[in-house]
Amino acid sequence: LAKTTQPISMDSYEGQEVNITCSHNNIATNDYITWYQQFPSQGPRFIIQGYKTKVTNEVASLFIPADRKSSTLSLPRVSLSDTAVYYCLVGFSGNTPLVFGKGTRLSVIA
Amino acid sequence: GAVVSQHPSRVICKSGTSVKIECRSLDFQATTMFWYRQFPKQSLMLMATSNEGSKATYEQGVEKDKFLINHASLTLSTLTVTSAHPEDSSFYICSARDPTGSYNEQFFGPGTRLTVL
Repeated sequence: LAKTTQPISMDSYEGQEVNITCSHNNIATNDYITWYQQFPSQGPRFIIQGYKTKVTNEVASLFIPADRKSSTLSLPRVSLSDTAVYYCLVGFSGNTPLVFGKGTRLSVIA
Repeated sequence: GAVVSQHPSRVICKSGTSVKIECRSLDFQATTMFWYRQFPKQSLMLMATSNEGSKATYEQGVEKDKFLINHASLTLSTLTVTSAHPEDSSFYICSARDPTGSYNEQFFGPGTRLTVL
């Protein structure tokens, strides 16, 4: 399973765009890149998933360069409720388990 | 998206007792479910893979005789913490993948907070 590296923590003011970058140098050909959000005492919640280039949904955008060795989660105009831990995971998923790294603790400040 | 539920949401028990946690896929069938444990301020740690109709696969360092997993149906997996001790106090989370979903997405339950006194 590809190992991921992301910043331990980030701070942002409300209304700003937040970009969290994840490194996954040994990503395999079949691997997808998935981001989850976790609030305290809750299970992780799926945010977005991509394989290459750019993916956008109503919550976030995911940018993946051509070599796929990194990815960037972009959260537009964050609010206080976006304060959470964000995990970048790499793998084929399916019936293989997701292995979580340390995640990025995002704190949004008023 | 698909929904995974857990019961109970929190449980407090005395040391030496056993506790059962249920994980259900509410609107899809899951041949495989996963159990994680999370200590405060730490990431999720995979404990085991639960396979319907067969034995669970445990991660290294997880005692299979202490954490009994039963996946008796396509919508239910149970984790039983046997002879619980205070060090077993943790947040237990299960997940499952909806095989009919458009993404290779795994859905997580809300978690069960176990406190052993």
